[in-house]
Parts: sequence; C-alpha cells; structure tokens
Amino acid sequence: DAMVIQNPRYQVTQFGKPVTLSCSQTLNHNVMYWYQQKSSQAPKLLFHYYDKDFNNEADTPDNFQSRRPNTSFCFLDIRSPGLGDAAMYLCATSNLAGGPLETQYFGPGTRLLVL
Amino acid sequence: QKEVEQDPGPLSVPEGAIVSLNCTYSNSAFQYFMWYRQYSRKGPELLMYTYSSGNKEDGRFTAQVDKSSKYISLFIRDSQPSDSATYLCAMSQGGKLIFGQGTELSVKP
Repeated sequence: DAMVIQNPRYQVTQFGKPVTLSCSQTLNHNVMYWYQQKSSQAPKLLFHYYDKDFNNEADTPDNFQSRRPNTSFCFLDIRSPGLGDAAMYLCATSNLAGGPLETQYFGPGTRLLVL
Repeated sequence: QKEVEQDPGPLSVPEGAIVSLNCTYSNSAFQYFMWYRQYSRKGPELLMYTYSSGNKEDGRFTAQVDKSSKYISLFIRDSQPSDSATYLCAMSQGGKLIFGQGTELSVKP
C-alpha cells in the first residue's frame, strides 16, 4: 500500500543533543510537510517542500532545519533540542496534480522526548 | 482570536448516538474544509473534505459547511466505539492547512 512512513516512531534525546527524524513516502507526491503537535493541541506547520523548493513558516525557530534529498525522503533536524521541543512530529504529503492541493496525507508521527 | 475555533471536549456519548462536531472560523478566504480523525498516538487520517457550502455524505459521516456563518460541522450517525478518537477540523488557503484544536470523542459501548 502506498503510504507515508516515519522513523523512528519514538525518539528519546538529551537536552542539546542534535536529533534527526525521517519521513519517506511511496505516494510520489511532490509536496512534503513537517508539523509539530504538542499534547491536546492542533498540528502546527513548521515548513514544507514543493518539489525542491523549501518554504519556512515565519515563526519556525532556527533550531529546526529540513532536508529533502529526493522526492521520496524528507528529514527534520533539530540542532539543539530543548525541553519545549518535546512533541509529536508529523510528516504529511500532498500532490498538486491529484486533487485539491490541500488534501494532505499524514504519517504515523514520531514522538520526541527530550531529557 | 484564533483563526479556527473548535471545542476540545472531551465529548462522551453512548453507542448508537448521533454525534455533532463543530468548528467556527474567522478567515473568509478559506477555500477547502476538511475533517481529520486522529487515534491516540497516531497521525491524522483524512475523513472528508468539501469545497463549497452544503452537505457531503460518506457512509455514516456527513460534513456540512455554512460559509455565510463561517461554521462547519461533522455529523456521525450510529456512532461506534471504534469512532472514539480526536476529530480535527482543518481549513486551507493557498496550500496551507490551519487546524482546529481537535475534539476528543469517546463512544461508550
């Protein structure tokens, strides 16, 4: 089945220790998104790629970076995680040519714990 | 004021009940309206999306949009314990989604 895959599902890191979360997709969608979702809150868009074009949200901290080496993969790098960065990180994809651009398909998420 | 307001609940109903979930919004430029279902510790799953005012039905689920009132609803008929989840409304403009906080629903057997 075509899908959005996130690894790892759970990640524990230490305060200030860099961490990388990964997302891959078999949907061949041209847009990939990263969201941060804290407990009982709405998902918050961090940035998205339209093909190779990177689009950063104005309020996304510089501590968060992203890479998209090819269509299938996208990475979220947190350079110096703080306690406030503990959250669920969601990857999503959408396809410009396949219907409303805003129809986004989400992966299962990576839950990040910062000690 | 948030762009999208959603009552966080929690909402608890008996099995078989009709459930009504609602969101209001302030931005009249929103073009698409969606409902996502999110089970505990999982990613959101798209349930339905609509573009215009009116109703859209899919099985036990009906999505309703009233653009004049800036109000959207999701109705679940014959609710089942498997419907227990958080339901997120989402609205879009220019390729970005703005989510509501989510309503936590529990359907008791």
